[in-house]
Amino acid sequence: QQQVKQSPQSLIVQKGGISIINCAYENTAFDYFPWYQQFPGKGPALLIAIRPDVSEKKEGRFTISFNKSAKQFSLHIMDSQPGDSATYFCAARKRDDKIIFGKGTRLHILP
Amino acid sequence: KAGVTQTPRYLIKTRGQQVTLSCSPISGHRSVSWYQQTPGQGLQFLFEYFSETQRNKGNFPGRFSGRQFSNSRSEMNVSTLELGDSALYLCASSEGQGIATEAFFGQGTRLTVV
Repeated sequence: QQQVKQSPQSLIVQKGGISIINCAYENTAFDYFPWYQQFPGKGPALLIAIRPDVSEKKEGRFTISFNKSAKQFSLHIMDSQPGDSATYFCAARKRDDKIIFGKGTRLHILP
Repeated sequence: KAGVTQTPRYLIKTRGQQVTLSCSPISGHRSVSWYQQTPGQGLQFLFEYFSETQRNKGNFPGRFSGRQFSNSRSEMNVSTLELGDSALYLCASSEGQGIATEAFFGQGTRLTVV
């Protein structure tokens, strides 16, 4: 019940295309869903986050879609660029508890 | 505002030795969490400290321990190192009070056990 399942494991997208990464969770007590971006040799960096009281959050080319009833959320990267090539982690957290991470998606944007 | 600082960045140790890693959180953040990252297992939670008290603990053996000081700086210690402990160890800090809040990661310490 503590797991966050992330798919796909790896993703190749053409430059200018839309990258979509999906995550699913079981624990309805989670109340915070961040996405992290990690480049090789660096720690994960917070990209965008959402709370379950909204269904969508957009920041620039990055959008989180949240489906509370299905217990799923996804990251959409519009107009994907080679600089977006990185590993992306979805995560979930409940109040005063640890962050649970998905296994990560390695995204490669073809130039 | 300075970010999360982890030292050292790289470390090579021999099997059986022990190691101490350090993490300085963002100023004002009272919660520090530690994660082990490996290619096969992803990001695995080690433990979390808040105001010098361990608040949560992951499923790691007792060889892994940590502590937090009054200035919120944290250290983690691994004793009797094994080859499988080779990993990137990440520290994250957050305000850590009340609702779930953003966690900010350091660049990590790359530990290699030979």
